Amino acid sequence: SSELTQDPAVSVALGQTVKITCQGDSLRNYFASWYQQKPGQAPVVVIYGKNNRPSGIPDRFSASSSGNTGSLTITGAQAEDEADYYCNSRDSSGTHFIFGTGTKVTVL
Amino acid sequence: QVQLQESGPGLVKSSETLSLTCTVSGVSIRRHYWSWIRQPPGKGLEWIGNIYYSGDTSHHPSLRGRVTISVDTSESQFSLKLTSLTAADTAVYYCTRVLRYSTTIWYFDLWGRGTLVTVSS
Repeated sequence: SSELTQDPAVSVALGQTVKITCQGDSLRNYFASWYQQKPGQAPVVVIYGKNNRPSGIPDRFSASSSGNTGSLTITGAQAEDEADYYCNSRDSSGTHFIFGTGTKVTVL
Repeated sequence: QVQLQESGPGLVKSSETLSLTCTVSGVSIRRHYWSWIRQPPGKGLEWIGNIYYSGDTSHHPSLRGRVTISVDTSESQFSLKLTSLTAADTAVYYCTRVLRYSTTIWYFDLWGRGTLVTVSS
């Protein structure tokens, strides 16, 4: 499959936990990476691999994976976490890259 | 300070060719993969293609035949050419570095600020 599917939008109360999922056949062979994009800005990687956070990314961001599904969890969501989130991986052939459809996270 | 900077025209005409360059500073262009990614207004991210510093490339299947990605290691730049433009090519174009953490973990760790390209009729 050359698709990664995400829920279009989720909302979370300030300080609560939200889980964003990404489904696709490629995730059986490759780990997802996760990107946060705020309006007018370039995306920023928040998680890569099994559960690796780049320097400067808060530890409230974590990831997990099972079968064809990858998940990004924000534990104790903050107002600044309101953004679009995209998953990404290599495709099933390992030749190309594919992005998820994106999830808009609203912090209430 | 690591920086990727896209440059090129902001407005191009339909049916013509888009040429963009990404200048890499603060990190060696060698021994890395580099990508172009685009985002149409209000839409999601689309990977366009990769180039390795050696010149090996791969492209999104839907763009095959229209896209050329090249690298100039002496200038620390890589470039994108996209031919036969249509309004559907209007997007913010980002240049990025691709890191291969392992055989199963790849990610885009560095991004340029992006440049908006509008295709006009």
